[in-house]
Amino acid sequence: AQTVTQSQPEMSVQEAETVTLSCTYDTSESDYYLFWYKQPPSRQMILVIRQEAYKQQNATENRFSVNFQKAAKSFSLKISDSQLGDAAMYFCAYSPHSGNTPLVFGKGTRLSVIA
Amino acid sequence: EPEVTQTPSHQVTQMGQEVILRCVPISNHLYFYWYRQILGQKVEFLVSFYNNEISEKSEIFDDQFSVERPDGSNFTLKIRSTKLEDSAMYFCASSERQGLGSPLHFGNGTRLTVT
Repeated sequence: AQTVTQSQPEMSVQEAETVTLSCTYDTSESDYYLFWYKQPPSRQMILVIRQEAYKQQNATENRFSVNFQKAAKSFSLKISDSQLGDAAMYFCAYSPHSGNTPLVFGKGTRLSVIA
Repeated sequence: EPEVTQTPSHQVTQMGQEVILRCVPISNHLYFYWYRQILGQKVEFLVSFYNNEISEKSEIFDDQFSVERPDGSNFTLKIRSTKLEDSAMYFCASSERQGLGSPLHFGNGTRLTVT
């Protein structure tokens, strides 16, 4: 079974600084997708970024980028120029390329942004 | 941008009572999901639904749970006889496809409190 591990329950960052959230996963599949979701205090789960495992290039979305290391099964999220609105729970998630297996989430990392 | 909407935002019920949580998925989406998040824990998959039937369910989704798409727009989760441990945030999600990295779009969640 696939598992997703986020080893940092909480992180903090100064406004305008950069922070990296860690995520590792376990799978025997070669094709899959990885996601980072953000859950602000409003509770909604918002997709931040998506990575396709067969693509070598790391995904980037404005201030958010990932460091995808397929061999190490690592998928970290880097937030540059952190803003107060980035404060939220961040969940790493895994999805197989096809089939019915649902999205598998990690336990989340709570990010605080200090003004 | 289209959204998944969930009602109510907060439901309080007594142990043993039945509750129905409601969701309106994004209109052109074909796959629907319920996830649960117990306070401070990770988001857990409950059930996926496609073509008017359950396509997959987790161990959590036992006989006290049921899902329905009664009218082509609403997608409901019913808990027949609630237990204290059912207290959690319940998230509805929808996607255009299953697998292939199709991102899940989540609603704001319903906070269920069983007393």
